[in-house]
Amino acid sequence: RKEVEQDPGPFNVPEGATVAFNCTYSNSASQSFFWYRQDCRKEPKLLMSVYSSGNEDGRFTAQLNRASQYISLLIRDSKLSDSATYLCVVNDRGSTLGRLYFGRGTQLTVWP
Amino acid sequence: EADIYQTPRYLVIGTGKKITLECSQTMGHDKMYWYQQDPGMELHLIHYSYGVNSTEKGDLSSESTVSRIRTEHFPLTLESARPSHTSQYLCASRGDRGPEAFFGQGTRLTVV
Repeated sequence: RKEVEQDPGPFNVPEGATVAFNCTYSNSASQSFFWYRQDCRKEPKLLMSVYSSGNEDGRFTAQLNRASQYISLLIRDSKLSDSATYLCVVNDRGSTLGRLYFGRGTQLTVWP
Repeated sequence: EADIYQTPRYLVIGTGKKITLECSQTMGHDKMYWYQQDPGMELHLIHYSYGVNSTEKGDLSSESTVSRIRTEHFPLTLESARPSHTSQYLCASRGDRGPEAFFGQGTRLTVV
């Protein structure tokens, strides 16, 4: 079983749409959670951390459900520049310890 | 921008050649990682290091080797390249101030 499983995608949405990505993780002891963004042929970059109470950064909202071991990312008012692959990432221990496990990624294409 | 650099960016080489992929970071991070990523697929951890003279194999079996003689430098070596080694190799580092991983721009290796 993979450590992190994501929606397979791809998601193709028009500008202005709201889109949601889901992710599940297998290790109940996992401590910290993230969404990374990876543009085509580029390196992954941190989009946002995910906190238990849920958190928002502009048009992006992340949610964590520890009981269900489920993470989500909601993008509102999609822009063309949001087109990328979104990686769900889980750290199996707190802070800087532990290992990062990456999901396969969900590809998003926003069309005009 | 993260201060982590990989060279070369692109490499096409013949079967049987020895190659070294370079990775350097100027952030003073103790933890460094090598990932392998095929197009549209997830990142696979192949090596990691928690400090000088510390190296470990990752999840994905790899014929490559690494060394960590200096904090800032984490080269990956393939003694005899084969077409099955064709992939993208991403180097990353993490510090003590937070769990975020910073990635280099990657090396796209093609073995012919």
